[in-house]
Amino acid sequence: EAQVTQNPRYLITVTGKKLTVTCSQNMNHEYMSWYRQDPGLGLRQIYYSMNVEVTDKGDVPEGYKVSRKEKRNFPLILESPSPNQTSLYFCASRRQGLNSNQPQHFGDGTRLSIL
Amino acid sequence: AQKITQTQPGMFVQEKEAVTLDCTYDTSDPSYGLFWYKQPSSGEMIFLIYQGSYDQQNATEGRYSLNFQKARKSANLVISASQLGDSAMYFCAMSLGEGSNYKLTFGKGTLLTVNP
Repeated sequence: EAQVTQNPRYLITVTGKKLTVTCSQNMNHEYMSWYRQDPGLGLRQIYYSMNVEVTDKGDVPEGYKVSRKEKRNFPLILESPSPNQTSLYFCASRRQGLNSNQPQHFGDGTRLSIL
Repeated sequence: AQKITQTQPGMFVQEKEAVTLDCTYDTSDPSYGLFWYKQPSSGEMIFLIYQGSYDQQNATEGRYSLNFQKARKSANLVISASQLGDSAMYFCAMSLGEGSNYKLTFGKGTLLTVNP
C-alpha cells in the first residue's frame, strides 16, 4: 500500500529534550515536506526537500532541522524543543516531473506536546 | 504571493443531499494546481481531488467533483449524495508549478456536518 508513515503519532515531552519525528514514504517520491498545523494559523511549511541531499527552509523553519540522506526518509529534528513547538505535524511527499500538479500525500500526523 | 480563501467556516447538509464548499484563490502564476483535502476528527489529512490550471475539464473523483471557474478564480468542491462519514474539515489548497518549491498554501477550512 502506498503511504507516508510518521512516528511517533503522539508524543509528550519536556522543554530542551532533543527529539526526532521520523517520516518514510514508499512511493519513490522525490519531493518531501514538513508542515505544522496550529489553530488559527492553519498549515504552514517548515522545511522541504526536492531530492536526496537537497533541503531548504519553508515559512517557519526556526527551531527545526531536517536531513535527507535517503530518498524514502525525511526526519524532522527538534534539537531543543520549546512549548511554542507544541503542534500537529505532518509529513508529505509528491512525485516530481511529468506533471507539475501532482498532489502531496500526507502522513497521519504527529501530535507533539512540549511541556 | 498566493492566497486561498474559504468563506464558509461551517456547513450543514442532510444525508444523501449534495453540498458545495467554496474556495477562491489568488495567484499571478499561470501554472498552478488546486487541491482539496479532508481532515476527519482523527486528524489525518486525506487527499480528495485536484485540478491543474491548464486542465480543460473539471476534475471528478467518485462522489467528489471540482467546479473550476478560472476567470473567477474559484475551485469549489461538490460532494454528491452526502454520507455521515463525510463529516470533517475540508481544506482547499494550491501549489505553483515547475520552478517553485511546491509549497501547499491552505485555506482556513470548512467544517462540514452531515445530518442523518
